[in-house]
Amino acid sequence: GAGVSQSPRYKVAKRGQDVALRCDPISGHVSLFWYQQALGQGPEFLTYFQNEAQLDKSGLPSDRFFAERPEGSVSTLKIQRTQQEDSAVYLCASSLGFMASYEQYFGPGTRLTVT
Amino acid sequence: QKEVEQDPGPLSVPEGAIVSLNCTYSNSAFQYFMWYRQYSRKGPELLMYTYSSGNKEDGRFTAQVDKSSKYISLFIRDSQPSDSATYLCAMSGGGTASKLTFGTGTRLQVTL
Repeated sequence: GAGVSQSPRYKVAKRGQDVALRCDPISGHVSLFWYQQALGQGPEFLTYFQNEAQLDKSGLPSDRFFAERPEGSVSTLKIQRTQQEDSAVYLCASSLGFMASYEQYFGPGTRLTVT
Repeated sequence: QKEVEQDPGPLSVPEGAIVSLNCTYSNSAFQYFMWYRQYSRKGPELLMYTYSSGNKEDGRFTAQVDKSSKYISLFIRDSQPSDSATYLCAMSGGGTASKLTFGTGTRLQVTL
């Protein structure tokens, strides 16, 4: 079946521009996570949704970052007034349940480059 | 200091070698331990998943968790060039909605 998809796969933004990154989770998956992966580093947690409720946003680096999942399926991560330090791969993951025992399935990521 | 420490490598081994990868961690609340494989420009894919301490084997892969030492390992037997990738250890604290905490990742190159 279809896995987690993300779009766009690549995004180049000029410093100060706003960007929106989309995640389509696996159908029926309750939980959705966003991670940020800097070059040569492991992914770092940004935020978590259980259905449409954003239950944890402790990893969002600043108030320029905003995420939503209004209908409990597709999610959008928005970054306002992008800065060079925002350049990274943004990964989305989904899981069937909301317990830690459920596997997280990752999408291919969106590579954001801020010039 | 990071919660999860992992040697970034790179690690280069000949085909057929046994590979040993490991991570140490500091948070004793971690209960679920995972190894992900990530190919260049792809998302991580789950290889092994272990709950609490113990060993788990799946084909050429063996995962070990020692909670008393806060140390986890992944062994790859009969390594193949297709195993060349970055290997990420990840952990979560259990309960509901557990975000993953990752290591830096170890780059592995298996040469012919």
